[in-house]
Amino acid sequence: GDSVTQMEGPVTLSEEAFLTINCTYTATGYPSLFWYVQYPGEGLQLLLKATKADDKGSNKGFEATYRKETTSFHLEKGSVQVSDSAVYFCALTGNTGGFKTIFGAGTRLFVKA
Amino acid sequence: GAVVSQHPSRVICKSGTSVKIECRSLDFQATTMFWYRQFPKQSLMLMATSNEGSKATYEQGVEKDKFLINHASLTLSTLTVTSAHPEDSSFYICSARDRGTGPLIQYFGAGTRLSVL
Repeated sequence: GDSVTQMEGPVTLSEEAFLTINCTYTATGYPSLFWYVQYPGEGLQLLLKATKADDKGSNKGFEATYRKETTSFHLEKGSVQVSDSAVYFCALTGNTGGFKTIFGAGTRLFVKA
Repeated sequence: GAVVSQHPSRVICKSGTSVKIECRSLDFQATTMFWYRQFPKQSLMLMATSNEGSKATYEQGVEKDKFLINHASLTLSTLTVTSAHPEDSSFYICSARDRGTGPLIQYFGAGTRLSVL
């Protein structure tokens, strides 16, 4: 079945450092890919998405490009802030079977001032 | 943007009691709602998918008699944890799809932390 694998955390960075969180997937067909962010004690918020190969999703300085050849959707940000500290989930939604969403295990990010 | 309200945000109950969690779409019609369970420092596990006016579809290994789901209207789904036990303690999150924006986008509630004593 479909699956999402993302790098284990926690990831600890200093403010203004460059962030990369790796995400790879396996899926049949052509899924849509997402990054969600979860702040402490809260539900998930959609951060960005890409619905087809070579699409780049971007929001709040975060970017991720849908790479079909490497089945990847790595999250990047050029300069992180303390307020970016959260858990980040990579996810895919298949285009069959009720459009279920499969989540990766999540990567916790700590940004130090 | 679309808002999903989940209530209560936190509940503590005694073992053997039942707990109801509500999930409401405030400004859109949600034909499909999802219920997830999240264990500490882990990902979300899909428990069930509920479609308005029909029975919920449960994922393998989820007891439908223990986790009762009702999706009676286009804006409300409820999850009832029946005869709760300490192992049911978890973070429960609902999400909803907006009929107007199609099947890809999910809007999440803020979650309910259930603690069973």
